[in-house]
Amino acid sequence: ETGVTQTPRHLVMGMTNKKSLKCEQHLGHNAMYWYKQSAKKPLELMFVYSLEERVENNSVPSRFSPECPNSSHLFLHLHTLQPEDSALYLCASSQVGTGLTGELFFGEGSRLTVL
Amino acid sequence: GNSVTQMEGPVTLSEEAFLTINCTYTATGYPSLFWYVQYPGEGLQLLLKATKADDKGSNKGFEATYRKETTSFHLEKGSVQVSDSAVYFCALSVRGYQKVTFGTGTKLQVIP
Repeated sequence: ETGVTQTPRHLVMGMTNKKSLKCEQHLGHNAMYWYKQSAKKPLELMFVYSLEERVENNSVPSRFSPECPNSSHLFLHLHTLQPEDSALYLCASSQVGTGLTGELFFGEGSRLTVL
Repeated sequence: GNSVTQMEGPVTLSEEAFLTINCTYTATGYPSLFWYVQYPGEGLQLLLKATKADDKGSNKGFEATYRKETTSFHLEKGSVQVSDSAVYFCALSVRGYQKVTFGTGTKLQVIP
């Protein structure tokens, strides 16, 4: 495996279900991200982890719960979601630090549908 | 704060036409600038980047020049192909910080 891998690629869940999205990066990067991409809306940064610590949480509802157990893995735990949470969830990684440009490497995304 | 403004789409072009997608930015600090591309059903991937004024990023026939005086980073390609149909995102990051700021994306459709 190379790059950033996300599973599952597609997920359908009811509003009372609990599920998790998984992301794994094989690039040796020190930062990982969750983005939400909804139709006709800008790309929305949800969470940032740097060196396994959460450094940004952009007012995301508590029904989304991130977890970063190590620098290569990132999870997004989902519970009691709403239909408006249906979107493409993108994971990304980057190498950040003084003098680095910090470009992002994305996974292919997890398409979530909430019924 | 930082922001990126890019032209609204969709942009529809015939094959072999010239492409320009405009992008302007505001930033605190000295940003690096990027163009990302998203093909249907896929995540975003880096197309090209430039890290300082007057740098030109290029890849797959696409080019963009970092213009500090006009705070712009317009994407150009001399002859588009059907396979270039995708959504293009302009973005910036300030050195050493984790956050990348994206534009809203411009959808390009190239017809044969």
